[in-house]
Amino acid sequence: EVQLVESGGGLVQPGRSLRLSCAGSGFTFDDDAMHWVRQAPGKGLEWVSGISWNSDGIGYADSVKGRFTISRDNAKNSLYLQMNSLRAEDTALYYCAKDNSGWPNYFDYWGQGTLVTVSS
Amino acid sequence: EIVLTQSPATLSLSPGERATLSCRASQSVSSYLAWYQQKPGQTPRLLIYDASNRATGIPARFSGSGSGTDFTLTISSLEPEDFAVYYCQQRSNWPLTFGPGTKVDIK
Repeated sequence: EVQLVESGGGLVQPGRSLRLSCAGSGFTFDDDAMHWVRQAPGKGLEWVSGISWNSDGIGYADSVKGRFTISRDNAKNSLYLQMNSLRAEDTALYYCAKDNSGWPNYFDYWGQGTLVTVSS
Repeated sequence: EIVLTQSPATLSLSPGERATLSCRASQSVSSYLAWYQQKPGQTPRLLIYDASNRATGIPARFSGSGSGTDFTLTISSLEPEDFAVYYCQQRSNWPLTFGPGTKVDIK
């Protein structure tokens, strides 16, 4: 059974940093691209960032480019999102999502999410 | 960035009726479009990928069509569990983008 478990969310002041983690199990982690997708309270889905199976392909939404960094450690079956210079508009539930291929495509499994709240 | 527009914003139907949801892209995405379902308090579920391919375990009443800039998700006969929000998503160009969603609610 595929499982994705996010951690690292919390309450943080504007301008500060936070690092999210996602532990994957039940599938061959280094076969698949991985993503972060967020959803602000009561709002729709927003793709944040994605990374190919071997980290050669990395992309970001315009809203986070230059502030967020995605990475993965295939030896640890883990995905990360380093978030710097956080803003109030980054407040959202952050989902870790598995791709259905090695290069960014679509999201076939989702974690339960970790909540990030940016507020003073 | 490719912008996806979904219509209508809300669709009010009764169980057993046919639902037709639309997604339009600001430029061609070929067939690189997916549909997701999200129920309140739940994570999204992949329904359709590459415009017309049903994901694993998705019932046959869900079907997708279209290419280029215009796409349709059809639910042939609504079941009670189908009342939810539906999102389209393109993977043709970076950044990947979602549409704003269509809520299908009970009439």
